[in-house]
Amino acid sequence: AQTVTQSQPEMSVQEAETVTLSCTYDTSESDYYLFWYKQPPSRQMILVIRQEAYKQQNATENRFSVNFQKAAKSFSLKISDSQLGDAAMYFCAYRSVRGGSEKLVFGKGMKLTVNP
Amino acid sequence: DTAVSQTPKYLVTQMGNDKSIKCEQNLGHDTMYWYKQDSKKFLKIMFSYNNKELIINETVPNRFSPKSPDKAHLNLHINSLELGDSAVYFCASSLGQSRNIQYFGAGTRLSVL
Repeated sequence: AQTVTQSQPEMSVQEAETVTLSCTYDTSESDYYLFWYKQPPSRQMILVIRQEAYKQQNATENRFSVNFQKAAKSFSLKISDSQLGDAAMYFCAYRSVRGGSEKLVFGKGMKLTVNP
Repeated sequence: DTAVSQTPKYLVTQMGNDKSIKCEQNLGHDTMYWYKQDSKKFLKIMFSYNNKELIINETVPNRFSPKSPDKAHLNLHINSLELGDSAVYFCASSLGQSRNIQYFGAGTRLSVL
């Protein structure tokens, strides 16, 4: 079974600075998807970024980028120019492409605080 | 215009009661999911339906019974509620299965007293 580990339960960053959230995972599969979801106090789960395992290029979405290291099974999220609205719980998630295994497997989450 | 909507948003009830949470999506997706987020914020899959067929059932107690009357709806019925059922329940949907993004509803906070 796949597992996702987020070892840092909490982090803080100063507004306008850069922060990196770490995530590691364990799988025997070669093709899969990785995600970062954001959950602000409103409770809504918001997709931040997605990475396909067969793509070597790291995904980017505006201020958000990932460092995907497939061999090391590492998938970190970098937030540049942090904004107050980035404060939230961040969840790393894995999704198999194998039929019948389409569930998202989540890490335990990390609480990000952005200081003004 | 809400893509995945859940009702109610909050549910407070007594132990032993039976309750339902409804989920509807207007995205034209054919796969729907229920996830449970416990008090420590840990999210875990409960069920998944594709075209009204159950495809994932993660050893959830049989007091939980999902029902999918059509592709756009996946309801969750819970019998004989227990204190440990208190959590936030999220519905999600996707088009097809493995390669597509799951979109989440706003969650239903269930409190069992």
